[in-house]
Parts: sequence; C-alpha cells; structure tokens
Amino acid sequence: GQNIDQPTEMTATEGAIVQINCTYQTSGFNGLFWYQQHAGEAPTFLSYNVLDGLEEKGRFSSFLSRSKGYSYLLLKELQMKDSASYLCAVRDGDYKLSFGAGTTVTVRA
Amino acid sequence: DAMVIQNPRYQVTQFGKPVTLSCSQTLNHNVMYWYQQKSSQAPKLLFHYYDKDFNNEADTPDNFQSRRPNTSFCFLDIRSPGLGDAAMYLCATSAEAGGGDTQYFGPGTRLTVL
Repeated sequence: GQNIDQPTEMTATEGAIVQINCTYQTSGFNGLFWYQQHAGEAPTFLSYNVLDGLEEKGRFSSFLSRSKGYSYLLLKELQMKDSASYLCAVRDGDYKLSFGAGTTVTVRA
Repeated sequence: DAMVIQNPRYQVTQFGKPVTLSCSQTLNHNVMYWYQQKSSQAPKLLFHYYDKDFNNEADTPDNFQSRRPNTSFCFLDIRSPGLGDAAMYLCATSAEAGGGDTQYFGPGTRLTVL
C-alpha cells in the first residue's frame, strides 16, 4: 500500500515562515502535489514537483527529494487566510493520487 | 469561468434511502474522479472515469455506483446509505492522466445520514 506521512498540526505567527514536511513510501512515483483545503471546502491546487529541487510560487515554495521520499511546503510571510489544512498527494502511477491526512496550520496574530 | 460544480452542497438522507450526488464540469476534461473524505482524514478515491471507461478502486463498496452520461456530467449513486457513509464527497477532473496533470476539485457535497 501507499504510506504518506505529514504532521497533524502546526501553529505559527502572522508574518512568520512555516515548513510542512511530507514523507512518502509508494509503489511508484509520478509526481507530488500540494493542495490547500479550508475547512468545509474543496482542496485547491498549490504546487507540483516531479524532479528534485525547489519550485517557488510567490509566498509558497515546494521541495522534492525523490531519493529520500521527502517533500516540504514552505509558506512565507504567513497571513491569517493561510490558516487551512495542507494536503500532500503522490501520484504513484497513471491516474491515482494518494493523499496524506493533511496538516492543519493555524496562524495566530 | 471554467469550473467544477457539485450539487447539492449539502444533502441529508435517511438510513437506507438511495441518494444521488451530481458533478458537472465546464473544463472539457477527459477524466472525472469521485473521492470520499471523512472528517480530518485524507480524501479517498472511490472511482474514476477516463472518458467513458469506468475504473473502480478495489476497496470501494458495491453500495457506491457511478454514471457518466456525457463528458460534462458524472453522478455518484449510493444505493443504501449507512451511517458510516456520512462524509464530504468530492468530485475532481483532470485533462488527461498522469504526468503533471492537475486534478481540479469541486466544492464538495456534505452528506448526512440520519
């Protein structure tokens, strides 16, 4: 089966930086996605990594190391609206995404 | 704006009473997915369609069925809902399969079973 681990909860202060780690053990690898999900809403796409290294998109960056089965999502200059759950998902073959349980980030003033 | 639409947003049904959830998309994507997400858990893929080809996950209960009458619409039928089927049901689409094709999610339907 697939195993995707990420911390359950993280708390940070407005304006700070938070790093959400994700480790995975899957039968195959065809890309890693990060989604943001506000409570009661659908996940929205944040980033995609398929090669090793860092992808930067404004305040959000995502890093991948395939040899280590490891990724992180970096959120900079935290804002209150960034309070949400962040889901790590691995595409292990053609269609299927396997999701982690999500990391709930709480941003405090 | 192109989007994924789910109706209704909230659905209440009784134990054992069949219910149908609907999803439509204006993205003209080939692939449509149905996920079940229970509180504080990861979305779990139930099945997906690539065009008209139906792909069921091995652990999806027979109680869950799906129909895709055309490119734009996909339905989730729960034949005899149990209390354990109360969850958020998410529809997603992608243009193609594999690679960097992103899955775009609808707003979800929250199902309550009484």
